[in-house]
Amino acid sequence: AQKITQTQPGMFVQEKEAVTLDCTYDTSDQSYGLFWYKQPSSGEMIFLIYQGSYDEQNATEGRYSLNFQKARKSANLVISASQLGDSAMYFCAMREGLPGTALIFGKGTTLSVSS
Amino acid sequence: NAGVTQTPKFQVLKTGQSMTLQCAQDMNHEYMSWYRQDPGMGLRLIHYSVGAGITDQGEVPNGYNVSRSTTEDFPLRLLSAAPSQTSVYFCASSYIGRGRFTEAFFGQGTRLTVV
Repeated sequence: AQKITQTQPGMFVQEKEAVTLDCTYDTSDQSYGLFWYKQPSSGEMIFLIYQGSYDEQNATEGRYSLNFQKARKSANLVISASQLGDSAMYFCAMREGLPGTALIFGKGTTLSVSS
Repeated sequence: NAGVTQTPKFQVLKTGQSMTLQCAQDMNHEYMSWYRQDPGMGLRLIHYSVGAGITDQGEVPNGYNVSRSTTEDFPLRLLSAAPSQTSVYFCASSYIGRGRFTEAFFGQGTRLTVV
């Protein structure tokens, strides 16, 4: 079974609109961390935001927020006020168990922002 | 700070050739890992290391070897290249957080083509 599931291969949004990228995860551990990365067409991996399983509040970083619903095992990324530069591939990832374990990625969602 | 440095950026190999992808980090991170990225597959873990002298297999280890003789370096060796190993390879490092999960810092990637 997949540990990280991103069900949206592609998403389209207009500039200045908000967009939600879906991510569900599968773990039996109580302690885990969830991450989102952005990969623009240039190829580099850019860390966006982190949510720990014990964090009571949803993480926010500028225009990025993480809608963390623990009971549903979902960790959706919300991008507010989309910009053309947000067009990229977005990956959800998880570390589970101990802090030194591997980072496991989903298959990604391609976001296209139009003017 | 250079961060995570991968060399080469591009490489073309003939089937059956061997080569080593280099990865070095200057952040004194304990944890290093190699991923391959293929279209529609996300990033899949090949091998990882939690410290010098310690390595372990990830999801797709066949055809690859690693070693970790120093904290800084984590080379990936392709023993006998096959067309199925055509991919983009990423090296990543992270520190092992005390009480929290930490993000991975990625190199710029190596685009490998096996003909």
